[in-house]
Amino acid sequence: QVQLQQWGAGLLRPSETLSLTCAVYGGSFSGYYWTWIRQSPGKGLEWIGEINQSGSTNYNPSLKSRVTISLDTSKNQFSLKMSSVTAADSAVFYCARGGGQYEIWGQGTLVTVSS
Amino acid sequence: DIQMTQSPSSLSASVGDRVTITCQASQDIRHYLNWYQQKPGKAPKLLIYDSSNLETGVPSRFSGSGSGTDFTFTISSLQPEDIAIYYCQQYEDGITFGQGTRLETK
Repeated sequence: QVQLQQWGAGLLRPSETLSLTCAVYGGSFSGYYWTWIRQSPGKGLEWIGEINQSGSTNYNPSLKSRVTISLDTSKNQFSLKMSSVTAADSAVFYCARGGGQYEIWGQGTLVTVSS
Repeated sequence: DIQMTQSPSSLSASVGDRVTITCQASQDIRHYLNWYQQKPGKAPKLLIYDSSNLETGVPSRFSGSGSGTDFTFTISSLQPEDIAIYYCQQYEDGITFGQGTRLETK
């Protein structure tokens, strides 16, 4: 059974860079897209971007200038970096498997941006 | 961006009731529509994919239908464990979610 476990800093100051990692356990890393989604009271569920096993990425146009998704196939992990965060970026961030349908999700990481 | 509009935003129903939620897309998304269930403190769970296909392991009381711009999600007989927020999500062009429908018991 494939599981996703994610981690990263939960409290950031404005202008800092958010960094989260998601590890894939119990299944193949190849053949899938790996995705980051966030959820906030103000914006609901928002797709951030995705990466496939070849390293090809797609990003939400509204976040593209600040977001980088990368992968480490040797560790079965993929990561999210979001630069220049503001309070508006405060949300629960999820990693997920899928490129349109998200059938497996991580547990979520609450990220708060506050001075 | 394709906008997804769910209705109602909240719904109160009794155990055993038939529950219906609708989702309308701002443009044609063919059948590229999924439904999720989210319980407090948990990640969303995929229930229905491609408008009408039941995800493996999901009870058959859940169903979905529709194509183009208008979609329906139905619970045929509400169970206590179905109390949650339900979201639609399109992937015809980009990825966008509806604002959610909060389902409560009467």
